[in-house]
Amino acid sequence: DSGVTQTPKHLITATGQRVTLRCSPRSGDLSVYWYQQSLDQGLQFLIQYYNGEERAKGNILERFSAQQFPDLHSELNLSSLELGDSALYFCASSVLGVPTETQYFGPGTRLLVL
Amino acid sequence: DAKTTQPPSMDCAEGRAANLPCNHSTISGNEYVYWYRQIHSQGPQYIIHGLKNNETNEMASLIITEDRKSSTLILPHATLRDTAVYYCIVRVASNFGNEKLTFGTGTRLTIIP
Repeated sequence: DSGVTQTPKHLITATGQRVTLRCSPRSGDLSVYWYQQSLDQGLQFLIQYYNGEERAKGNILERFSAQQFPDLHSELNLSSLELGDSALYFCASSVLGVPTETQYFGPGTRLLVL
Repeated sequence: DAKTTQPPSMDCAEGRAANLPCNHSTISGNEYVYWYRQIHSQGPQYIIHGLKNNETNEMASLIITEDRKSSTLILPHATLRDTAVYYCIVRVASNFGNEKLTFGTGTRLTIIP
């Protein structure tokens, strides 16, 4: 158990809908990362937050957005969902968000768009 | 970040040492070598990392060649629970704002009973 929690574990929805994925980082970690794992693209970095502020952005679609709240939990919002958005979404956290730190991953949310 | 090359798959007998190679011939002086693994569809799990010296922890050993162009992850006594995809990742140490992990395709390690 990494100490990172993600909810829900599974999510089934329809095209065009909007969903919110939630992540609680390990106690004391200030930085949160979101990754997407699909069959054809592998594990890809989406976005990073540090203490409530966006720190780095990867190949995150404009239909996707995220935020980190004052209690440090983070939410990833996916809107106008398409079939290709079906994937595993992982959240990771680290203490300060610097490159040499270990990132600890949550169990993921499996999203299925029908 | 430097690109890494790993064999797509490997088998290892249970109880034997599993040696997973990684080539990172374009690695820079300030880049670390990290290893993560992913068991089935669980979240990736940190294993070990190093800069130039060999490293050992309770999970594994990391051997980095003197020229730093390749490394080997060693699981000393592989068990069935070590069956997973192993990712070798090279990360810049000083480039703030670039803390992401860039995963390649990894090596699928299967431990044979």
